[in-house]
Amino acid sequence: GAVVSQHPSRVICKSGTSVKIECRSLDFQATTMFWYRQFPKQSLMLMATSNEGSKATYEQGVEKDKFLINHASLTLSTLTVTSAHPEDSSFYICSARDLSSENQPQHFGDGTRLSIL
Amino acid sequence: GQNIDQPTEMTATEGAIVQINCTYQTSGFNGLFWYQQHAGEAPTFLSYNVLDGLEEKGRFSSFLSRSKGYSYLLLKELQMKDSASYLCAVMDSNYQLIWGAGTKLIIKP
Repeated sequence: GAVVSQHPSRVICKSGTSVKIECRSLDFQATTMFWYRQFPKQSLMLMATSNEGSKATYEQGVEKDKFLINHASLTLSTLTVTSAHPEDSSFYICSARDLSSENQPQHFGDGTRLSIL
Repeated sequence: GQNIDQPTEMTATEGAIVQINCTYQTSGFNGLFWYQQHAGEAPTFLSYNVLDGLEEKGRFSSFLSRSKGYSYLLLKELQMKDSASYLCAVMDSNYQLIWGAGTKLIIKP
């Protein structure tokens, strides 16, 4: 079945480092991908909607200059956390919309656990 | 505004049946999802309902009533591994998922 690959699964780095997370749709084309953040014991929070070939749409309160999103192809979206600080430590999850699927129109990656020291 | 309501926490006994309810008010409707999420992991797809009625998949079933803005997830023959959070999400008219806060299900022996 359709799969979304998210990489890396875990990152531990120093404060001030920029971190790039990749989200790939492996066997379908995803014109739209979504980036979520989840803090411990809290629900998923949508950060931004990534559209292939155009600028991402950010949710209120999410800094677009800090969380850079690039969706340059129909199978790849990237999220770059620039100059990360400890408060950016969280679980980041991507999902991709699959318009060809009637039974499961959205697929999740396995998530990236980001820890900033 | 858009709103998804589901209970914060439920407790059930191994081998029993539990029903997790979800009510929603959204801008448009393109289907309702149920996901299972274990701590520290990404959500796992359980079901997708877009028409009224009951969808059964093994031990899990999901029901939808669009006129009532209501869904439930029914888990039968509960196992300890079913202890997790269960997330209800509605796809709105823009095909964005609106998420409930999740129901933490605790299974006791």
